[in-house]
Amino acid sequence: NSKVIQTPRYLVKGQGQKAKMRCIPEKGHPVVFWYQQNKNNEFKFLINFQNQEVLQQIDMTEKRFSAECPSNSPCSLEIQSSEAGDSALYLCASSLLVNTLYFGAGTRLSVL
Amino acid sequence: QQKVQQSPESLIVPEGGMASLNCTSSDRNVDYFWWYRQHSGKSPKMLMSIFSNGEKEEGRFTVHLNKASLHTSLHIRDSQPSDSALYLCAPHSGGSNAKLTFGKGTKLSVKS
Repeated sequence: NSKVIQTPRYLVKGQGQKAKMRCIPEKGHPVVFWYQQNKNNEFKFLINFQNQEVLQQIDMTEKRFSAECPSNSPCSLEIQSSEAGDSALYLCASSLLVNTLYFGAGTRLSVL
Repeated sequence: QQKVQQSPESLIVPEGGMASLNCTSSDRNVDYFWWYRQHSGKSPKMLMSIFSNGEKEEGRFTVHLNKASLHTSLHIRDSQPSDSALYLCAPHSGGSNAKLTFGKGTKLSVKS
């Protein structure tokens, strides 16, 4: 069973609504990644953190998406104004080193 | 933007047969490849990694790497129904905590 905990498992929002999901990385893992997996199983990297600092992020993330990994709190990914195209499985992964990613079960977002 | 080409898109093999999956990266800075496996409705899990040219075997799974052609292949012998899953290739470049770019995957079905 995954030691990366993602909540909620399912999230249903209307267009324009905020959607927020959380991730608790595996204990001791300093690096956290967020990916979006669409219905065609395509992965899109969104953002990654080392401890509380952003390492890399894509342009999309800089607009409607925001993410943070505060000290001693779950990491979070928030979509300010959900769009139908945001419907996807959002996967959080944590890593100790050398890119072995340990994924959580994901949050499946449906935007109606 | 690195492109990761996986082939075939889908593959059906009989139980006990050999499954061969391919992956090529467009990034000449790739230093190693990861293979992840994602069962239906589950999160991806790391299957194997390969850093050096040549071959690496773990049980029924063998990975080949040709760094000159940026090509890796995964071979599963004596395929089992439990091997039915989406197989994702992820080349790595750019530092130990750099993002992984996943291919679209090969959907393997093992029929008994």
